[in-house]
This record gives sequence, structure tokens and C-alpha cells, in this order.
Amino acid sequence: DTGVSQDPRHKITKRGQNVTFRCDPISEHNRLYWYRQTLGQGPEFLTYFQNEAQLEKSRLLSDRFSAERPKGSFSTLEIQRTEQGDSAMYLCASSSTSGGAGGETQYFGPGTRLLVL
Amino acid sequence: AQSVTQLGSHVSVSEGALVLLRCNYSSSVPPYLFWYVQYPNQGLQLLLKYTSAATLVKGINGFEAEFKKSETSFHLTKPSAHMSDAAEYFCAVSKFGNEKLTFGTGTRLTIIP
Repeated sequence: DTGVSQDPRHKITKRGQNVTFRCDPISEHNRLYWYRQTLGQGPEFLTYFQNEAQLEKSRLLSDRFSAERPKGSFSTLEIQRTEQGDSAMYLCASSSTSGGAGGETQYFGPGTRLLVL
Repeated sequence: AQSVTQLGSHVSVSEGALVLLRCNYSSSVPPYLFWYVQYPNQGLQLLLKYTSAATLVKGINGFEAEFKKSETSFHLTKPSAHMSDAAEYFCAVSKFGNEKLTFGTGTRLTIIP
């Protein structure tokens, strides 16, 4: 169990450029979540997958954002035409729904910090 | 909708003193409650979670939290603060325990030597 990994850890881009982030969950975790955290705030939910199906998207997720989990393993989050307001830490978490009545525990990756100039 | 409120964005305690971080929740159904810790430039690590099995929940690093339905609270405590406890702490709630987390705004804990 190597934990949740995210790549890259840091990304600096210019306004208007597209960026893509990758998340590798803990192996055999069927759920994968994306959150966004801005300075001084708690993480905010963006979207989540169960296996390859995207089950929920937040209203925070504008049409410039798209996420995929094509084979139910790793996931990508793409932001098109980045804006300065997109600057934030993007966190990925994974969990298993086989935890029973005790509820699931989400395990977080180290995050990708995005700065849009 | 579920929500949590963390009172006090910054808390400072002396090394060896009691740590008390406050969290109040609002939920339309029996909640699942979590405390996470975040060290600088890192992701979140689970400290403990409440799943209705017991009102007093013990977590890692000597932390514990008590679920009080009458007060809609889930405060985090540690009897004796250590320098390594300096970090940001987030309370979170989940509906049914198997979906997205809704986080509070966090409390930054500073330990005074």
C-alpha cells in the first residue's frame, strides 16, 4: 500500500493555458474524489467516481473542468483556459466501499498546487 | 444539507497544555464526523472518525473526540500538547458515511514552547 499519489506536485501556468493533473489511488480502492482547497479554507468537493463512473459533480465544477477515470484506476483532472481564480491546491482522495457499516475512510494524496499567472 | 462550523481559526497552547479544538455540526440525518490534520504543503491525514458506534472516539497521536448530540458538537482534545502537533486541523461531515466530505474552514494550532 503506497498511498495516494498525485502528479505534478506543483504547476505554474499562464492564464488561458490548459493543465492536467493525475491521481493514482490506493490500489483496489473503487472510489476516487477530487477536492479543491484555497488558501485559508477547507477542501471543497469537486467530483467523485465509483470505478469508472462519475457519480456526482459539484456546481463549483464549471464547464472548463473535466475529470476522467477511464479504467477505474487512475484519474485525470483537466482545467481548460485557466483563470487566476483557479489557483488552489487540488486534492485527490480514494476509498473503498467495502468497509461495511463503519463508513468509508477517504485517504488523501499530497495534492497538486496550481498557480495561474 | 450537512455542514460543520469550526470556532476559532487560530488556537495557541503551551507545550504540555490541553488542546481543545471546537467543531459543531448541522445534519439532517445522523452524521458521520471526521477530524483530519494537515501539515504544511501536505495532504490530509485522518485523526479519527465517529460512526455512531461509540460517542467517545480515540484517534492517532493521542487525540480523541466526543460526539454530543444535544450540543451538536464533536470537539477534538488532547491532554498534553506536543510541538509536533502544530498543524491545521479540519472537521468534516459526511452523509451516511459513504459520500463526499464537507469540511469546516480549519483551525491552525500553534504550540508555544
